[in-house]
Amino acid sequence: GAGVSQSPSNKVTEKGKDVELRCDPISGHTALYWYRQSLGQGLEFLIYFQGNSAPDKSGLPSDRFSAERTGGSVSTLTIQRTQQEDSAVYLCASSLEGFEQYFGPGTRLTVT
Amino acid sequence: GNSVTQMEGPVTLSEEAFLTINCTYTATGYPSLFWYVQYPGEGLQLLLKATKADDKGSNKGFEATYRKETTSFHLEKGSVQVSDSAVYFCALLRPHGNKLVFGAGTILRVKS
Repeated sequence: GAGVSQSPSNKVTEKGKDVELRCDPISGHTALYWYRQSLGQGLEFLIYFQGNSAPDKSGLPSDRFSAERTGGSVSTLTIQRTQQEDSAVYLCASSLEGFEQYFGPGTRLTVT
Repeated sequence: GNSVTQMEGPVTLSEEAFLTINCTYTATGYPSLFWYVQYPGEGLQLLLKATKADDKGSNKGFEATYRKETTSFHLEKGSVQVSDSAVYFCALLRPHGNKLVFGAGTILRVKS
């Protein structure tokens, strides 16, 4: 079946602009996660959604980062007023609750 | 806190050589342990997992055993192939947790 998909695959933006990254999880997966992969910090957890529960936002690095999940499916990660240190690969994953996480191919964000 | 430490790479081997990538962890309670692999230009794929002490995860000729006494989950393969060249990540998921904690990743290069 279809895996986790993310769009765009690459995004180049100017410093100070806002960006939106999209994630389509595996159908039927109730949990959705965002991670960030950067050279300096490795793989870091950002945010977690599970069903209708309040999301776990404990990994978001600043208030410029936000995410939402509409209808328990698609999720959008928004970065406002992007900075150069936001350049990274943003990975989305989904799972059934309590089971292993399946990752998408990622969105490579470059802030110039 | 929870953390994962992996051996630094890159690891360079000849085809058919034996592979070990060391992974140790620090965690409260008894986490689940995972190895993920990232092939060039692709997203993270789950390679294998173990959920309790002495469990052995295995897949595609790779194995790792959950050692509680040494808090380790070393990845091994008896005979590597060029196609195994990738970045390997060790990760933990604490009991009842939702966020994976990753090691820094180890680059494996296999030469023919």
